[in-house]
Amino acid sequence: DAGITQSPRHKVTETGTPVTLRCHQTENHRYMYWYRQDPGHGLRLIHYSYGVKDTDKGEVSDGYSVSRSKTEDFLLTLESATSSQTSVYFCAISEASGGFTDTQYFGPGTRLTVL
Amino acid sequence: AQSVTQPDIHITVSEGASLELRCNYSYGATPYLFWYVQSPGQGLQLLLKYFSGDTLVQGIKGFEAEFKRSQSSFNLRKPSVHWSDAAEYFCAVGAGGGATNKLIFGTGTLLAVQP
Repeated sequence: DAGITQSPRHKVTETGTPVTLRCHQTENHRYMYWYRQDPGHGLRLIHYSYGVKDTDKGEVSDGYSVSRSKTEDFLLTLESATSSQTSVYFCAISEASGGFTDTQYFGPGTRLTVL
Repeated sequence: AQSVTQPDIHITVSEGASLELRCNYSYGATPYLFWYVQSPGQGLQLLLKYFSGDTLVQGIKGFEAEFKRSQSSFNLRKPSVHWSDAAEYFCAVGAGGGATNKLIFGTGTLLAVQP
């Protein structure tokens, strides 16, 4: 299994508070991704990174920001959490070549509840 | 725009019966196709992938999938289902290119296995 950890694994927070989720990898892969999973929607890409300090938006990026200061860590921040951001968040990594044939490997997920 | 359709939300099969999960994609170029499985409370695990070559792809856990360009399909099959196969299955198409690779996921098919 790819060495991907996510923290925290579960979090309950209140509307309006900031939240940061962490993804840590030990594979030295260049590419990292944040997805959210919601019933009836499958997984949707929030943001991704193609290198240290290099990030870009996915299809559902509103209300989220990311940062990547080290190869191994990719942080997802909800600046002001809303109930619509209650979801399960998955981090993924892919191999260094970056072509779209690369396989993505997923972390265990973080379940976030915004009250 | 690229898209993936999994027309069956839930499927129930008896243990030992054969299984086919449907996946249709929309993509302008040669697609790169994936099947992932998600057990309850877990992350996504890659079952198999198709990039090129033989259109019948073998994966882990006894699964296979067949790419049919004329039907824009990539259906997942298993000849004899085990109780441990109960999970949610996601089809995905690789989209992007250049310095990025992105996965577009279907909404998933939840498989239940009856004893």
